[in-house]
Amino acid sequence: DVKVTQSSRYLVKRTGEKVFLECVQDMDHENMFWYRQDPGLGLRLIYFSYDVKMKEKGDIPEGYSVSREKKERFSLILESASTNQTSMYLCASRRGQGNGYTFGSGTRLTVV
Amino acid sequence: AQSVTQLDSHVSVSEGTPVLLRCNYSSSYSPSLFWYVQHPNKGLQLLLKYTSAATLVKGINGFEAEFKKSETSFHLTKPSAHMSDAAEYFCVVSPPGSARQLTFGSGTQLTVLP
Repeated sequence: DVKVTQSSRYLVKRTGEKVFLECVQDMDHENMFWYRQDPGLGLRLIYFSYDVKMKEKGDIPEGYSVSREKKERFSLILESASTNQTSMYLCASRRGQGNGYTFGSGTRLTVV
Repeated sequence: AQSVTQLDSHVSVSEGTPVLLRCNYSSSYSPSLFWYVQHPNKGLQLLLKYTSAATLVKGINGFEAEFKKSETSFHLTKPSAHMSDAAEYFCVVSPPGSARQLTFGSGTQLTVLP
């Protein structure tokens, strides 16, 4: 089975801190995605990457950046955390077009 | 452009009774459609997907969904609810032939009463 692993299950950070959320997949998938999940809003795409060093903005990229230096790892960076970035963050990967997505278990980030 | 609307934010059923979770979509092309389930403190799990083959799609745990193009709907059903079905369910649309993202509905919380 494909595994998508998010390094932290829960994180508490202070306003203004730089935050790194890490995601690793073990099946050589080309595409990787970062979503945030908020009640009543479903999942919204922050950024995605279709190859190493490639990235594209999703629907809500403001306040975030990403890094994909290796195929298996896709990092989400909050340059200066704010309280409105308190959310559940989900990473996903898939092999390519037409294939299913595999999601990680999520990181619940609280910014105080 | 594409969008998806889950018509109920909460659904309650009694154990052993049928489940119906409603989803309507809007798309300017023939989309792929998915249902995902998320149990408390767990990641999203794919229940089933429609990708322009059979219109009635069977998924895991006894769930199925029917793609109705004329109604732009993709409702999720199960004949008999089980306590373990209590979770949040997301209807998802994706453009075909694209590496781009999924568009998620806002979710339906399913409660199963004993």
